[in-house]
Amino acid sequence: NAGVTQTPKFQVLKTGQSMTLQCAQDMNHEYMSWYRQDPGMGLRLIHYSVGAGITDQGEVPNGYNVSRSTTEDFPLRLLSAAPSQTSVYFCASSSAGTSISYEQYFGPGTRLTVT
Amino acid sequence: DAKTTQPPSMDCAEGRAANLPCNHSTISGNEYVYWYRQIHSQGPQYIIHGLKNNETNEMASLIITEDRKSSTLILPHATLRDTAVYYCIVRSRSNDYKLSFGAGTTVTVRA
Repeated sequence: NAGVTQTPKFQVLKTGQSMTLQCAQDMNHEYMSWYRQDPGMGLRLIHYSVGAGITDQGEVPNGYNVSRSTTEDFPLRLLSAAPSQTSVYFCASSSAGTSISYEQYFGPGTRLTVT
Repeated sequence: DAKTTQPPSMDCAEGRAANLPCNHSTISGNEYVYWYRQIHSQGPQYIIHGLKNNETNEMASLIITEDRKSSTLILPHATLRDTAVYYCIVRSRSNDYKLSFGAGTTVTVRA
């Protein structure tokens, strides 16, 4: 089991550029989420998905799009990068509420700098 | 969702127990207490969770007061590798894939 994988590990963008952060999990988890973490702060939820074809907004969704076409993948798209989106992005997955597992598994993060 | 209050930082001597407090006075009956930690630059890691009974696993123990308004995470024998930010999160089981992280407690274990 690779768990939750994220690519790339590091990325530098210019203002206005777009890109997709990749996230994949091999644990057959129904739930997947994207968080961002700014320096010295806790994580904030961007978007989440409760299953393939279903997504919803979290606390800070503006400037980001997501889709969930398969159980395994949950990419995060930055439409037009802004310096305020400079952050570390974490993807996470977990099993559904009927499972005995309560743990949310996090990926290693993508460190994004927008200049 | 219930808010939590944690001290911003604490120090602990290596080999001693580390007791991390968390206040959650507005917790509702269906909400669990979850603890995660984040070692520098890594993704958060689940530690333990509980509803009302005390819980123990290979990493830590969780003590929840009888009125459930506060809890304590205990690392029984802290090591240098336990230096991390520890997050106390209160959430219902049906929403535990949408976690809300505060600032947490920065724990520094000293040799």
